[in-house]
Amino acid sequence: SYELTQPPSVSVSPGQTARITCSGDALPKKYAYWYQQKSGQAPILVIYEDSERPSGIPERFSGSSSGTMATLTISGAQVEDEADYYCYSTDSSGNLYVFGSGTKVTVL
Amino acid sequence: EVQLVESGGGLVKPGGSLRLSCAASGFTFKNSWMSWVRQAPGKGLEWVGRIKSEADGGTRDYGAPVKGRFTMSRDDSENMLYLHMTSLRTEDTALYYCMIEGDGYWGQGTLVIVSS
Repeated sequence: SYELTQPPSVSVSPGQTARITCSGDALPKKYAYWYQQKSGQAPILVIYEDSERPSGIPERFSGSSSGTMATLTISGAQVEDEADYYCYSTDSSGNLYVFGSGTKVTVL
Repeated sequence: EVQLVESGGGLVKPGGSLRLSCAASGFTFKNSWMSWVRQAPGKGLEWVGRIKSEADGGTRDYGAPVKGRFTMSRDDSENMLYLHMTSLRTEDTALYYCMIEGDGYWGQGTLVIVSS
């Protein structure tokens, strides 16, 4: 089965840059999506199609993808950015979708 | 405004069945690919399955843990998405969300508890 690999946790000081990676064999050909989930809330899309930002998402959120790795970057992280972040993509067939295991971002 | 409202969750015994519904509004449902995603208590997100639009063939695909037990369907005339779950196991206990593929809109979820 297809897997996306994320680090379990990332810690950053307020105002610093947090980078969350997502590794998967199909990422060179398939888009990555990034979801933010705060405690007790439904996930929110923060990046789609590797690097596009939905309306309403702060500019400090950006995405990139190179080879088998996609990266979510939070530039100038704020305390309110503390959340779990999940990457999401498909396998090479495009028919099976998968979430990464999630990365807990702590801003302190 | 896009809205997705799940319903139908509850307590069910192992081996039992349940049908979840997702009422959609605020977008062109018939053109949308829809997925179900679940989250077990304290765990991460898990993709359950996806159904394409009828225009794209209506194909359904499922994650390995539910394949053969869960079935997705849609009623484009009523803007409804369904998840029929059978042979339920304790490990199916989770909050079940419906979502629009590619657009990032999710409902608030409906809780399914499988327990004797």
